[in-house]
Amino acid sequence: DQQVKQNSPSLSVQEGRISILNCDYTNSMFDYFLWYKKYPAEGPTFLISISSIKDKNEDGRFTVFLNKSAKHLSLHIVPSQPGDSAVYFCAASVARAGSYQLTFGKGTKLSVIP
Amino acid sequence: GAGVSQSPSNKVTEKGKDVELRCDPISGHTALYWYRQSLGQGLEFLIYFQGNSAPDKSGLPSDRFSAERTGGSVSTLTIQRTQQEDSAVYLCASSFHAETQYFGPGTRLLVL
Repeated sequence: DQQVKQNSPSLSVQEGRISILNCDYTNSMFDYFLWYKKYPAEGPTFLISISSIKDKNEDGRFTVFLNKSAKHLSLHIVPSQPGDSAVYFCAASVARAGSYQLTFGKGTKLSVIP
Repeated sequence: GAGVSQSPSNKVTEKGKDVELRCDPISGHTALYWYRQSLGQGLEFLIYFQGNSAPDKSGLPSDRFSAERTGGSVSTLTIQRTQQEDSAVYLCASSFHAETQYFGPGTRLLVL
């Protein structure tokens, strides 16, 4: 049973436009959420995170939105750049439980078209 | 500073052989995690070390898998009697502030 779901395996966006990557979760115990970006043959790179006490966190071109009632989060990239083309993973943890193991979605492959 | 490093970067082995995968975490990071990513799947948690506490082994898929962390730094993941379904990318991550984990490049394991 997948606790973190990324229902879109791929997404194509024109350069300069907004990219919106979505993630849904089922475990209401999750209280910390992260987005990672992964290029081929490299490990995931941390992008941005959000605690369940917030509903928005912004860092430069990247903004993560959290809707706890819907158990949904999204990553917005504005403006999208060709270098953003990668696989994006959503991850969640029950940080207050002290283990911090991350549960990942299967990823969304973003292609930014010049 | 140096990031998380893993070795070897690629490993091809025959079914039934044992393999050891190594992880060097970021200096000063107290927490270390192992994950694996099978083809077409997300990352799957395997094991977590925090300081001198007993490791959280809840993600290990079978008793053929074990890991140790010596001196609170380097970690070795051992897979005994490898099976073809063990083929995956094995990723190590470390963290200081436990919520944000930083990943190494991974070891690509292929069991023939």
